[in-house]
Amino acid sequence: QKEVEQDPGPLSVPEGAIVSLNCTYSNSAFQYFMWYRQYSRKGPELLMYTYSSGNKEDGRFTAQVDKSSKYISLFIRDSQPSDSATYLCAMSNQGGSEKLVFGKGTKLTVNP
Amino acid sequence: GAVVSQHPSRVICKSGTSVKIECRSLDFQATTMFWYRQFPKKSLMLMATSNEGSKATYEQGVEKDKFLINHASLTLSTLTVTSAHPEDSSFYICSVTSGSYRYNEQFFGPGTRLTVL
Repeated sequence: QKEVEQDPGPLSVPEGAIVSLNCTYSNSAFQYFMWYRQYSRKGPELLMYTYSSGNKEDGRFTAQVDKSSKYISLFIRDSQPSDSATYLCAMSNQGGSEKLVFGKGTKLTVNP
Repeated sequence: GAVVSQHPSRVICKSGTSVKIECRSLDFQATTMFWYRQFPKKSLMLMATSNEGSKATYEQGVEKDKFLINHASLTLSTLTVTSAHPEDSSFYICSVTSGSYRYNEQFFGPGTRLTVL
C-alpha cells in the first residue's frame, strides 16, 4: 500500500460547482497536511496547511483532516475556470521543513 | 511567499552528457533546499535534502554519484545530472524552506524539464 493515495482523475466540472478532492494515507505518524495547486509546467504552490485533525477555511477553499480515518479533503466552492489545475495533497511528520510525501495529484478542469 | 527561481527552465541534451540545474532563493535565506523529480502523471518524489554547507541526504534508491547536489550558499543549490540517460528525462523541481516562515513552509521553484535524447 502506498503511503498516500490520491485519485488522479481527471475531474471535469461546470463553473460554479462544488469540487471535492481527497486523499487517504497509511502512515499514522503524519501530523501536517497540505494541499498544493500546480498549473501545467509550473511548480506547486501551497493552498492550504492543516495541523492534525479539523477543518480550515480560506475563502472558497476548505480543508478537512480526519486522522481517525486517515482521510483528508479539499473542497472548492463556486469553482472558477482559473481553478483548473492539478491539486496535490502532501503530508509530513514534522511540518514543511521536513520531507513531504505527495499524492499523485488530481487534474481538475472547470468548464465555463 | 518566497520567490524561487530555477535555471534553465528546459534543457535537451544528448545521452552521456552532464546537465546542471540551478535553484535560487531570491528574497530570503533558505536553510534547507529539497530536490524533487516528477514523472508524467506521477507524484513528486523527493530525491534529496540539502542544508547549506553540508552534504546532501539522498532518498533511498537515488544514486548520489549520478545526481550531484551542491548547496553552496543560503540562496543557491545546484543539481547536476551526470552521464544523463533517456530514463533521466523528467521534471525536476526544487523547494526551499526557512524557519522564519510560518509552518516552515516549503516554496517551490517553477521546475526544469530535462529531455535526454
